[in-house]
Amino acid sequence: DTAVSQTPKYLVTQMGNDKSIKCEQNLGHDTMYWYKQDSKKFLKIMFSYNNKELIINETVPNRFSPKSPDKAHLNLHINSLELGDSAVYFCASSPATGFSGNTIYFGEGSWLTVV
Amino acid sequence: GENVEQHPSTLSVQEGDSAVIKCTYSDSASNYFPWYKQELGKGPQLIIDIRSNVGEKKDQRIAVTLNKTAKHFSLHITETQPEDSAVYFCAASRNGGTYKYIFGTGTRLKVLA
Repeated sequence: DTAVSQTPKYLVTQMGNDKSIKCEQNLGHDTMYWYKQDSKKFLKIMFSYNNKELIINETVPNRFSPKSPDKAHLNLHINSLELGDSAVYFCASSPATGFSGNTIYFGEGSWLTVV
Repeated sequence: GENVEQHPSTLSVQEGDSAVIKCTYSDSASNYFPWYKQELGKGPQLIIDIRSNVGEKKDQRIAVTLNKTAKHFSLHITETQPEDSAVYFCAASRNGGTYKYIFGTGTRLKVLA
């Protein structure tokens, strides 16, 4: 049973297109995240939601819009894709927010390539 | 802002030797330090963590040490095996509403058979 699952795993699309990545966690966690990993493997947080409420919004272009229909789902929609958006996007979740020591569990990643 | 430096960026060791990866954090309020292993094509997986009230923690061939005064922590892998080859990330976090990990830049470990 996959704890944090995201789809699609691979996505190749043209510049200017709009695409979405979906994420679901079956761990009963309250908090979900989107991280971006670039070609140099740097992991940077983009967004965090706690019980469907946005709590972290790092300096991410407005073209990126997260949506959390319920606390088990956090989707990422990207408008007007650019070449620089090519990266691996990781969804993650943790039991709660605000408390240090909460382990963050990552999904397998979605490889986005913009051509 | 908060920052975590990680060294080295790449590390090659012979099978059976030890590997050490070091991280330094800037936020003195950090109190939780996890280590993640990322295998090729997969997401990061937690392998060990340490809280600020502990100086050392060990789990079989893996150990982590923490020096709060110097604000650095290290991952030690003994008797390395080829399956230890992966990218390793350290991270630091602290209590607070905007809970998040600050990740190090990663270390690519290659264990040579």
